[in-house]
Amino acid sequence: DADVTQTPRNRITKTGKRIMLECSQTKGHDRMYWYRQDPGLGLRLIYYSFDVKDINKGEISDGYSVSRQAQAKFSLSLESAIPNQTALYFCATSDLETRADEQFFGPGTRLTVL
Amino acid sequence: GQNIDQPTEMTATEGAIVQINCTYQTSGFNGLFWYQQHAGEAPTFLSYNVLDGLEEKGRFSSFLSRSKGYSYLLLKELQMKDSASYLCAVRDLSNSNSGYALNFGKGTSLLVTP
Repeated sequence: DADVTQTPRNRITKTGKRIMLECSQTKGHDRMYWYRQDPGLGLRLIYYSFDVKDINKGEISDGYSVSRQAQAKFSLSLESAIPNQTALYFCATSDLETRADEQFFGPGTRLTVL
Repeated sequence: GQNIDQPTEMTATEGAIVQINCTYQTSGFNGLFWYQQHAGEAPTFLSYNVLDGLEEKGRFSSFLSRSKGYSYLLLKELQMKDSASYLCAVRDLSNSNSGYALNFGKGTSLLVTP
């Protein structure tokens, strides 16, 4: 079983619709992250959370919101989707207790906004 | 990753050695990471450097010079399956938009040819 899962894996929606992307992990990590990836731009941080009560904006948080429902779940919402939010979205987790605190990524959600 | 630079594309021959360079600018350096990403898949962690020097892990090695803001990933005995994008990422504690999260470069697309 995958340690970090994302649902849905693919989604096509229309401009103005509200969309929620979900991330769950069984690694027991406290830290969770949302990134988007666009061709030629690399991975950019949207939001991150270091525990259930801690939510922080990343580099490109405008137009997005998040909810950390439990240690294992971190959801990303697009309140009113627009076409330039079409991208590949990744959730990641990390554990401060490891030497590197390296991030483990989910399989990604490919979102298309028409 | 506006402060992280790496070549966009590289090509190398199966069985050869290739070096992928990464330069960065930070004021709160707290570690450099290399990730591998196959097309359409999640990034996977390859290596971590926080002190100067070489870290070796099988066919892959990573080097860091903090004074020069420079790292490289060395891939030996190249195999066809090594064709992927290689992402350099830096943890910069002085970045108010990322905190303990990672800042990624745009990635280097490596093509291994027969």
